[in-house]
Amino acid sequence: DIVMTQTPLSSPVTLGQPASISCRSSQSLVHSDGNTYLSWLQQRPGQPPRLLIYKISNRFSGVPDRFSGSGAGTDFTLKISRVEAEDVGVYYCMQATQFPPFTFGPGTKVDIK
Amino acid sequence: QLQLQESGPGLVKPSETLSLTCTVSGGSISSSSYYWGWIRQPPGKGLEWIGSIYYSGSTYYNPSLKSRVTISVDTSKNQFSLKLSSVTAADTAVYYCARHTLVLWFGERYFDLWGRGTLVTVSS
Repeated sequence: DIVMTQTPLSSPVTLGQPASISCRSSQSLVHSDGNTYLSWLQQRPGQPPRLLIYKISNRFSGVPDRFSGSGAGTDFTLKISRVEAEDVGVYYCMQATQFPPFTFGPGTKVDIK
Repeated sequence: QLQLQESGPGLVKPSETLSLTCTVSGGSISSSSYYWGWIRQPPGKGLEWIGSIYYSGSTYYNPSLKSRVTISVDTSKNQFSLKLSSVTAADTAVYYCARHTLVLWFGERYFDLWGRGTLVTVSS
């Protein structure tokens, strides 16, 4: 199985300031078709996860452009350019390159200082 | 607007079988573009994919749970179901159903629509 790790596990941020979350996979997530199936999900308190980013850097429908994804191979980053109060929650990276199983990172909790 | 809703008992006894159903409304489960999956989240912990099914009945399971999991689909009711046998306290979790794309070659693979989840507690 591909193991996903994330750093930091907790990230207190100031409103209006940027935030960055790193995700690393135990193996390259580049599929033989050339795609990298790495996505990011947000889970606000008491809510189900919500898709933010797919294939490293593609924002899903309705996701604000302050969210961006980057990376390649085994190292990926989610950035929030200016954190808003509604961004509080836990962020997960997930790989779908090699399955079963699909695997998630442990999550990074973002809260306001 | 397509929605997913989990239903089933909130309490299951150890060694028994957990059974949940996900009802898809506002659209057809028989869409050729999507798989339908189950994911769980123990209280205060992260996400674990359990398995997924296509409307034709084709399934993928997490190898760590495969011996205990059965996922089925009922297209006439627009529902898919999860059975997890021989449960223990470690199976206590919020269980989510979700829709995802899964194109095996040069396509998309992501979980884009989730139910609100249902808490299942395993306890005598």
